Amino acid sequence: GAVVSQHPSRVICKSGTSVKIECRSLDFQATTMFWYRQFPKQSLMLMATSNEGSKATYEQGVEKDKFLINHASLTLSTLTVTSAHPEDSSFYICSARAGRAIETYQPQHFGDGTRLSIL
Amino acid sequence: KNEVEQSPQNLTAQEGEFITINCSYSVGISALHWLQQHPGGGIVSLFMLSSGKKKHGRLIATINIQEKHSSLHITASHPRDSAVYICAAIPSYNTDKLIFGTGTRLQVFP
Repeated sequence: GAVVSQHPSRVICKSGTSVKIECRSLDFQATTMFWYRQFPKQSLMLMATSNEGSKATYEQGVEKDKFLINHASLTLSTLTVTSAHPEDSSFYICSARAGRAIETYQPQHFGDGTRLSIL
Repeated sequence: KNEVEQSPQNLTAQEGEFITINCSYSVGISALHWLQQHPGGGIVSLFMLSSGKKKHGRLIATINIQEKHSSLHITASHPRDSAVYICAAIPSYNTDKLIFGTGTRLQVFP
């Protein structure tokens, strides 16, 4: 159980293109989804947290107009990198968490990531 | 100083060896994840624990809340265990966050 599917796994595109990445929870309802970015040999860096039906909360330094996040349903969140440039090339990975319990922490379940290369 | 420190950074082992990866943290936590990141990038959550010990197959995770320390053990290591292992603390002050350790790159040779 607790499978998170992320698509596409790899994108190569030209500078100026907008790229959409999907993150789906396949067998549970994800009240909260998280988007991370990872540079080579570095730790994951949280970009934003989104709760279903609400606007995403972006981390400091992450441009919300550049990285559009939509969490319209309990099983789907999308990250759109708008007008992508070579410096946006990175590994993007999502995670999803069921429930919003305070007393009992629900674990995050991760997708397989999307490797984005902007030429 | 990072709030979550892992050691060692790199680890090589022969197949069959017993592996230990250590994680120390300096914040109060609700729980701690051990994650496995494969060469392709995908991440699998191995354990989430807030006390004691958990075992799954050849993997064992322990945590000592008083000492703010957790360990991940792999018994009878195998080349397919080669991956980056990451501990991630869920801080009590914000359970939406994960504070990641820098990871331990494990290579197991046949």
